[in-house]
Amino acid sequence: NAGVTQTPKFRILKIGQSMTLQCAQDMNHNYMYWYRQDPGMGLKLIYYSVGAGITDKGEVPNGYNVSRSTTEDFPLRLELAAPSQTSVYFCASSLGLAGVTDTQYFGPGTRLTVL
Amino acid sequence: AQKITQTQPGMFVQEKEAVTLDCTYDTSDPSYGLFWYKQPSSGEMIFLIYQGSYDQQNATEGRYSLNFQKARKSANLVISASQLGDSAMYFCAMRETDKLIFGTGTRLQVFP
Repeated sequence: NAGVTQTPKFRILKIGQSMTLQCAQDMNHNYMYWYRQDPGMGLKLIYYSVGAGITDKGEVPNGYNVSRSTTEDFPLRLELAAPSQTSVYFCASSLGLAGVTDTQYFGPGTRLTVL
Repeated sequence: AQKITQTQPGMFVQEKEAVTLDCTYDTSDPSYGLFWYKQPSSGEMIFLIYQGSYDQQNATEGRYSLNFQKARKSANLVISASQLGDSAMYFCAMRETDKLIFGTGTRLQVFP
């Protein structure tokens, strides 16, 4: 049981390049999330998904896209990378319990630098 | 307005002493959940403890307890008998519907 896995761990992009951050979970969780953490700050929600085929925007979705074709995988796509997207990206998942008791479990993060 | 406020950017505590990390929140929803996460220097986010808005008792998990004062809208984390390995960033978060909202964190340093 690996939990939530993310690849790559580190990446440097040039301005205007594109890339996909991979996220997978093996806990049979229904909900998955993408966050970004800027230096000295808390996490901000980019996109989330409550099940395969369903995605929704979070607080900071501009410049990103997601898809959820399977329960296990939730890739995050960056198109036309910009320096403002330099951040640490965390993927998380949760069972999707009704109400507010649903605990999220996080992957190890991807550190992205855009130069 | 900030939904989650952590007013202590940094805290110091001596090993084996207890420490309280402050968290206040703002919501008009009667149903919400409060979480604390630890982020060590290695970067991962580790779930510590959860408190539901309808829970009558304060949550406890080992050396962690949550001092929940609903009328004051505060959910402070208490770490008893601090250990050197407790040195980390600590984030308070609130769940409304499907989303978690995080505070800006408190850096705790435990010294011998």
